[in-house]
Amino acid sequence: EAQVTQNPRYLITVTGKKLTVTCSQNMNHEYMSWYRQDPGLGLRQIYYSMNVEVTDKGDVPEGYKVSRKEKRNFPLILESPSPNQTSLYFCASRPTAQGSTDTQYFGPGTRLTVL
Amino acid sequence: AQSVAQPEDQVNVAEGNPLTVKCTYSVSGNPYLFWYVQYPNRGLQFLLKYITGDNLVKGSYGFEAEFNKSQTSFHLKKPSALVSDSALYFCAVRGRANSGAGSYQLTFGKGTKLSVIP
Repeated sequence: EAQVTQNPRYLITVTGKKLTVTCSQNMNHEYMSWYRQDPGLGLRQIYYSMNVEVTDKGDVPEGYKVSRKEKRNFPLILESPSPNQTSLYFCASRPTAQGSTDTQYFGPGTRLTVL
Repeated sequence: AQSVAQPEDQVNVAEGNPLTVKCTYSVSGNPYLFWYVQYPNRGLQFLLKYITGDNLVKGSYGFEAEFNKSQTSFHLKKPSALVSDSALYFCAVRGRANSGAGSYQLTFGKGTKLSVIP
């Protein structure tokens, strides 16, 4: 089944404890992206990747890192999480890097709470 | 910069009645427009998109959307609402990222919660 998977689905952590949220897609998509969803703000893009070893900042990149060493994986790293990073996180992918008309596919989400 | 406005935080409609969820957009160049739905505790699911051609786009679960270039709108519609349509709906527009490099990024509206009342 074609899908985007994320792990963990739920995570409660404490301020300053490094964490990684994994994202994987099995559709051989070039483009991958991370979003955070907050009430009243919709989805905002954190980082995106147009292909292996090619990443760029989205609208809200502060406090996050990403890497794209393999085409299928795009982990989101929080080096020193803070309470304002408590949110619902979505990974997404689409077939092509340019992708002006591509449909974007989303993972199930990771609910992160930072105490 | 591109933007999307969903002017209603919540829409309530009785089961069987027609529903409309409103969306207006701003983007340079050709607008590529999308609707996604999010059911409780689930990820976003693609409903439909407008790329070019017919202004009335048909999508999944009986939904359709009407593109209106002069009003820069892309309202989501369904002739007869079901209780199972109750969810959070997001409109999105795709345009070039400010950083260039030829990439297109999705910008989402804040979402509209649809409640269908039995």
